[in-house]
Amino acid sequence: AQKITQTQPGMFVQEKEAVTLDCTYDTSDPSYGLFWYKQPSSGEMIFLIYQGSYDQQNATEGRYSLNFQKARKSANLVISASQLGDSAMYFCAMREYSSASKIIFGSGTRLSIRP
Amino acid sequence: DVKVTQSSRYLVKRTGEKVFLECVQDMDHENMFWYRQDPGLGLRLIYFSYDVKMKEKGDIPEGYSVSREKKERFSLILESASTNQTSMYLCASSSQFGPSEWGYEQYFGPGTRLTVT
Repeated sequence: AQKITQTQPGMFVQEKEAVTLDCTYDTSDPSYGLFWYKQPSSGEMIFLIYQGSYDQQNATEGRYSLNFQKARKSANLVISASQLGDSAMYFCAMREYSSASKIIFGSGTRLSIRP
Repeated sequence: DVKVTQSSRYLVKRTGEKVFLECVQDMDHENMFWYRQDPGLGLRLIYFSYDVKMKEKGDIPEGYSVSREKKERFSLILESASTNQTSMYLCASSSQFGPSEWGYEQYFGPGTRLTVT
C-alpha cells in the first residue's frame, strides 16, 4: 500500500532563512509522481512542484526545489529565502502509475515564518 | 482561468439527514476527486472518478457515495449524516495529461466545512 509520511507537524523559521520540509514515501511501484501543495489560512490548495520517479534532476520552481533521494524514498521540499507569505500548511502527495488517477496526501506540516 | 467551485462554503446538518455536496469544474477535466481534511490527518481520499458514470473508492468510502452524471459535475452524498462526518470537504479535478505521461497537478475547490449536529 502506498504511504506518505510527513514527520514535522509544525515548524518555525526566521524570515529569509531556507527551510526544508520532510517527506518520505513508501511504494513498490517503480513508476510514480510526487507533488507538493501549499494551503494558506484561506484554505485553497496551491500546487507548488512535481517530481517524476524517472526524472534525473531535482525539480525546481522559483524558490521551491524538491530534494529527491530515490534510494531513501524521500522527497523533501526546500524553500529558499523564506518570506512571511510562506506561512501555511504544506502537503506532500504521491501518485502511483498502477493506481491510475489516485493521489494520496501526507498529514501536512504547518510552517510559520517569523519576521 | 482554471476554476473548481463547490456549492457551499459552510453547511450545518442534523444527524440522519441526507447531505449533497456539489462540485463543478470548468476545465473539461477527466478526473475528479473528493477528499476530507481533518487536523493531523491531512487529506484523505473518499472517492474519485476518471470518467462520466465511473467511480472508484478511495481510502475512506464508508458512509459516502458519489455521482457523476456529467463530466463537469461530481457530487458527494452522505446518505445519513453522522457527527463523525463533521469535517472540511475538498473537491479537486485534474487532466489525464500533464508534465509527463501520467504526472499532473490537481486543481482544488475552496472547500465545504460541514458540521453535523
